[in-house]
Amino acid sequence: SQKIEQNSEALNIQEGKTATLTCNYTNYSPAYLQWYRQDPGRGPVFLLLIRENEKEKRKERLKVTFDTTLKQSLFHITASQPADSATYLCALPTRSNTGKLIFGQGTTLQVKP
Amino acid sequence: DAGVIQSPRHEVTEMGQEVTLRCKPISGHDYLFWYRQTMMRGLELLIYFNNNVPIDDSGMPEDRFSAKMPNASFSTLKIQPSEPRDSAVYFCASSLDPGRYNEQFFGPGTRLTVL
Repeated sequence: SQKIEQNSEALNIQEGKTATLTCNYTNYSPAYLQWYRQDPGRGPVFLLLIRENEKEKRKERLKVTFDTTLKQSLFHITASQPADSATYLCALPTRSNTGKLIFGQGTTLQVKP
Repeated sequence: DAGVIQSPRHEVTEMGQEVTLRCKPISGHDYLFWYRQTMMRGLELLIYFNNNVPIDDSGMPEDRFSAKMPNASFSTLKIQPSEPRDSAVYFCASSLDPGRYNEQFFGPGTRLTVL
């Protein structure tokens, strides 16, 4: 079955710097990969989706890359702000792509002013 | 739309009691998902429905857990009897058609504590 690895250690960076979060997966290559943001006491909120034939996707200060050879996705936040502090989860569909998602454990980002 | 609505937001109960969690998905969404989140295991899918029909319940821990979706605008997750290890945050999410790359919209969650 698919396994997802996200850095379990919190990432602490200074405001204004670029944060880079990693999502590694094993087994099959998914049709797409999604990134979600979760704030304490709230449900995850969808941020970006990248398809297997896309190498890079951007949305404002966010950038996601997808390397199917390395089986890895990188999530970048440029010009980070304290408001970006949250836990970021990557999610992949199952091989059958029937709608079921498998979520990583998430990486907590702390942006210090 | 108000988004996915869950109730109650917090539930504290004693071991052995029945617990019922409720969810109202976003109108028009055909898929509804129930997740459980804990520090140890992260976000786990318990069961999901398509057009009110359960599609995959392989994540349901055991027979003490059951879920229903009597109509397109309402679903319940029931635990009977509850145990302390069921303590977690339970999320409901809905989606248009996730197989076509649509994202999932999560509710605010129900924090369940079983004493």
